[in-house]
Amino acid sequence: KNEVEQSPQNLTAQEGEFITINCSYSVGISALHWLQQHPGGGIVSLFMLSSGKKKHGRLIATINIQEKHSSLHITASHPRDSAVYICAVVPNTGNQFYFGTGTSLTVIP
Amino acid sequence: DAGITQSPRHKVTETGTPVTLRCHQTENHRYMYWYRQDPGHGLRLIHYSYGVKDTDKGEVSDGYSVSRSKTEDFLLTLESATSSQTSVYFCAINTANDYGYTFGSGTRLTVV
Repeated sequence: KNEVEQSPQNLTAQEGEFITINCSYSVGISALHWLQQHPGGGIVSLFMLSSGKKKHGRLIATINIQEKHSSLHITASHPRDSAVYICAVVPNTGNQFYFGTGTSLTVIP
Repeated sequence: DAGITQSPRHKVTETGTPVTLRCHQTENHRYMYWYRQDPGHGLRLIHYSYGVKDTDKGEVSDGYSVSRSKTEDFLLTLESATSSQTSVYFCAINTANDYGYTFGSGTRLTVV
């Protein structure tokens, strides 16, 4: 059983579209992270959330602690947004991550 | 990446040989982690450290050992490399800032 589930697994969008990636988790958490990994590249932390909503440029992340759910939104998507997006949670009981398996996003010009 | 360096970036080694990967940070953070990333499995924790000489196992620690003799360095050793340890290895530090964690650029290890 995976403590973190992401959907969809794969997503293809046209440039300019609004994109949503979902993450559900089953454990109590102290924080949730959204990570980005470009093909063959390193991993970048986009957001760390413990409540509410955060925005960085065209990226918005929300979390609902009661429903154990988070979403990552990309507005006005661009081909450079093509990457794997990974949801990761830090459980209340420790300081390690539980990772989702990632959402592979392709934005077509 | 800011404050964290992994070396080497790429390595090819033979089965049965020892291999050590290095993670170096410049920012004096307490928590450091080693992960491996494999297709179909995503990221999995190998070992982590919560201070000098303080380490603990992750979910896939068999065949790996770690050492942390200085705050800035966290070493991952494969005592006798096997083909199943062919993977991309990432080091991470808990920066406790707005982004929480910083990852190294990764080490691509191939065991032939």
